[in-house]
Amino acid sequence: GIQVEQSPPDLILQEGANSTLRCNFSDSVNNLQWFHQNPWGQLINLFYIPSGTKQNGRLSATTVATERYSLLYISSSQTTDSGVYFCARSPDTGFQKLVFGTGTRLLVSP
Amino acid sequence: GAGVSQSPSNKVTEKGKDVELRCDPISGHTALYWYRQSLGQGLEFLIYFQGNSAPDKSGLPSDRFSAERTGGSVSTLTIQRTQQEDSAVYLCASSLAGGPSETQYFGPGTRLLVL
Repeated sequence: GIQVEQSPPDLILQEGANSTLRCNFSDSVNNLQWFHQNPWGQLINLFYIPSGTKQNGRLSATTVATERYSLLYISSSQTTDSGVYFCARSPDTGFQKLVFGTGTRLLVSP
Repeated sequence: GAGVSQSPSNKVTEKGKDVELRCDPISGHTALYWYRQSLGQGLEFLIYFQGNSAPDKSGLPSDRFSAERTGGSVSTLTIQRTQQEDSAVYLCASSLAGGPSETQYFGPGTRLLVL
């Protein structure tokens, strides 16, 4: 099946710093999403980003489907950004069966 | 309710016992999903419901696992004769109709520990 690799696996930042998280795919992907899992385990959808760039506040995401990768940018990080970030893809047709990446664990210290 | 709810929040059971996990999706959402999150396997898909039907059960790890959905709403995931490797967080999600670009809304999960 399609492999979804994320890097780095762990990241420690000082509050206010910027960061880039990466998601690589073993095959082409058309339906790519980014999620944040907070320290209490709640998963929240951040972006649906099959291609191009989207921005939401301090977060933005870019997917280059032809090169099989997606990037999540976090600017001016805050302690509330801590948690695990997952990218996930779903099939081109049919229902949305998510295949999750390995995750990047982010800790933002004050 | 406003979001997806799951119960119980935590469950500790002895090996060999049966457990039932419950999911209440967002009202009006026809698509419902179960996922499992464990240290060794990450986040993995278990089963998908469209209404009361389960067109894809491919993620269920063994025949000890089963799930049903009634009234197009509440779903129950049942694990029979639990094993220690079943220990994980079981997450439920729902979306409006299951389309590829829809947002899945996740519940808080049930943390299962099998002793």
